[in-house]
Amino acid sequence: DQQVKQNSPSLSVQEGRISILNCDYTNSMFDYFLWYKKYPAEGPTFLISISSIKDKNEDGRFTVFLNKSAKHLSLHIVPSQPGDSAVYFCAASEAGGSYIPTFGRGTSLIVHP
Amino acid sequence: GAGVSQSPSNKVTEKGKDVELRCDPISGHTALYWYRQSLGQGLEFLIYFQGNSAPDKSGLPSDRFSAERTGGSVSTLTIQRTQQEDSAVYLCASRDLYQETQYFGPGTRLLVL
Repeated sequence: DQQVKQNSPSLSVQEGRISILNCDYTNSMFDYFLWYKKYPAEGPTFLISISSIKDKNEDGRFTVFLNKSAKHLSLHIVPSQPGDSAVYFCAASEAGGSYIPTFGRGTSLIVHP
Repeated sequence: GAGVSQSPSNKVTEKGKDVELRCDPISGHTALYWYRQSLGQGLEFLIYFQGNSAPDKSGLPSDRFSAERTGGSVSTLTIQRTQQEDSAVYLCASRDLYQETQYFGPGTRLLVL
């Protein structure tokens, strides 16, 4: 029973275009969401996060949108660059608990020059 | 400042042998996590240490898996009588008590023959 789902295992985008990575969750107690980026042979690195009190958080080329009613969040990368090619993990956690996030299976993004 | 380090980076072992994986968290981080990523899967939570509290072992898949954290710093994950299905990348992460962001090490790639 996956509580955090990334239904697209891979995504291919042309350089300069928008990349949209999607994530759905089922646990209504989740109230903090994070995106991590992972290059091969490296550990995941934190990219951006959003609290459930917001519906949007922006950091440079990266924007995360949260739709609580749909239990859906998305990561937008604009414009996409070849260096963005990596696996992106969505994670969710319950605030006030032990902060053990639940991770999705990841989406592999390939940005073509 | 140093990030999270893990050793060894790669480990090949024979079925039935015991292995020890080491994690050195970021200095001052009181929270430490172990995860496992099998091929094509997301990050599977294994165990969580927070300060001097009893660890959350709810993610350990069997009693062959155990972990210690000595002096609130270095952690060792031990897998006894390894099985082929234990082959995976084992990731360690640490977190500051007052932040949600986890910082991951590069992982240990374990192959059980």
